[in-house]
Amino acid sequence: DAGVTQSPTHLIKTRGQQVTLRCSPKSGHDTVSWYQQALGQGPQFIFQYYEEEERQRGNFPDRFSGHQFPNYSSELNVNALLLGDSALYLCASSPDREGYGYTFGSGTRLTVV
Amino acid sequence: AQKVTQAQTEISVVEKEDVTLDCVYETRDTTYYLFWYKQPPSGELVFLIRRNSFDEQNEISGRYSWNFQKSTSSFNFTITASQVVDSAVYFCALSEDPTGTASKLTFGTGTRLQVTL
Repeated sequence: DAGVTQSPTHLIKTRGQQVTLRCSPKSGHDTVSWYQQALGQGPQFIFQYYEEEERQRGNFPDRFSGHQFPNYSSELNVNALLLGDSALYLCASSPDREGYGYTFGSGTRLTVV
Repeated sequence: AQKVTQAQTEISVVEKEDVTLDCVYETRDTTYYLFWYKQPPSGELVFLIRRNSFDEQNEISGRYSWNFQKSTSSFNFTITASQVVDSAVYFCALSEDPTGTASKLTFGTGTRLQVTL
């Protein structure tokens, strides 16, 4: 049973460009969350999707947007990239139950130059 | 607002030593969940344990044990007889779930554990 899969694994973009990251949740999971992890820091919550709607959002600007598809997979889009957006972006999935805990993917390493 | 503090930035031990990773949390909710995750160099966060706020029983799983104390808002993690494969960054996380649905995790800054021979 595959866990959470993310693509691509690495990405280099130029300031001002736009990027799309993709995530397939673990089988049986319908809730997808995205986290940003800067070097040497803990993951920071970006947003969560459930039933194709954004249900929770962290303290991130509108340049960060997402989407969830009927098969529960998800995309994270970042517009007008800044150098400070360089980070590991982690996707996590879970059944929609309190306290269940999340399964994380290996992440996409985004470098903005 | 919820907050998780891991005061130990980095710990180095020699193999077979015991090591305890500290975690202190802040929350105003009475219902919450605490987690420990391990992040090896590959980057993937690996789930280790989950506790809810109503269960203060300590837990042991092999070489791992967890000490949850609501009185001090702490959820510490001990590795007994550490091994080189335990080298990783360990994160403590908090989830408040007042709605009964999956809720966001608030992470600490992590503790990097280095186990050497």
